[in-house]
Amino acid sequence: GAGVSQSPRYKVAKRGQDVALRCDPISGHVSLFWYQQALGQGPEFLTYFQNEAQLDKSGLPSDRFFAERPEGSVSTLKIQRTQQEDSAVYLCASSFEGGTRHEQYFGPGTRLTVT
Amino acid sequence: QKEVEQNSGPLSVPEGAIASLNCTYSDRGSQSFFWYRQYSGKSPELIMFIYSNGDKEDGRFTAQLNKASQYVSLLIRDSQPSDSATYLCAATSDNQFYFGTGTSLTVIP
Repeated sequence: GAGVSQSPRYKVAKRGQDVALRCDPISGHVSLFWYQQALGQGPEFLTYFQNEAQLDKSGLPSDRFFAERPEGSVSTLKIQRTQQEDSAVYLCASSFEGGTRHEQYFGPGTRLTVT
Repeated sequence: QKEVEQNSGPLSVPEGAIASLNCTYSDRGSQSFFWYRQYSGKSPELIMFIYSNGDKEDGRFTAQLNKASQYVSLLIRDSQPSDSATYLCAATSDNQFYFGTGTSLTVIP
């Protein structure tokens, strides 16, 4: 596709439910990033993939958060046993080259609301 | 703790004026710097990136980098009401990409 796509665009989950958020990066982009953005804040880094390898997951807030990119293209961010503090917009971005030196292009985000 | 700091604003400028947005970063090892624009309810959109000390111009936008002072700025010339948005500064370090909290800009017609 022409840009990064994410699905679903909106997700409402009851506390304790598991959710899975999908990201389709720009075709051919090597690097893929996940961010969490709370209202009025800048995006906070969660994790980074170069192809299928997860090179940094230090930003994942707890072991309830898990991300994968098994074939080096589509990625899924999974949140287990959701809590109210998980409510945020989850942004995915991709970059043509490996590493973090290069410009990233963002998807529209998934707004997660935990009730 | 690696940080990128921005004045949250709001910054208001009249239409046609120059808007100046500033950002400082804490990690001297940061190599690349980016400015993103984010409209309310939308995702960040890349405006400019800069790697080397000095100025980089693209249309109405100029990014300035001073690594010695750990300072990045964005100038918007001939500001338009459509420039009203939150501007996010970002720096890269190791395998991470750090964003500031953003500066809210309003261009008054």
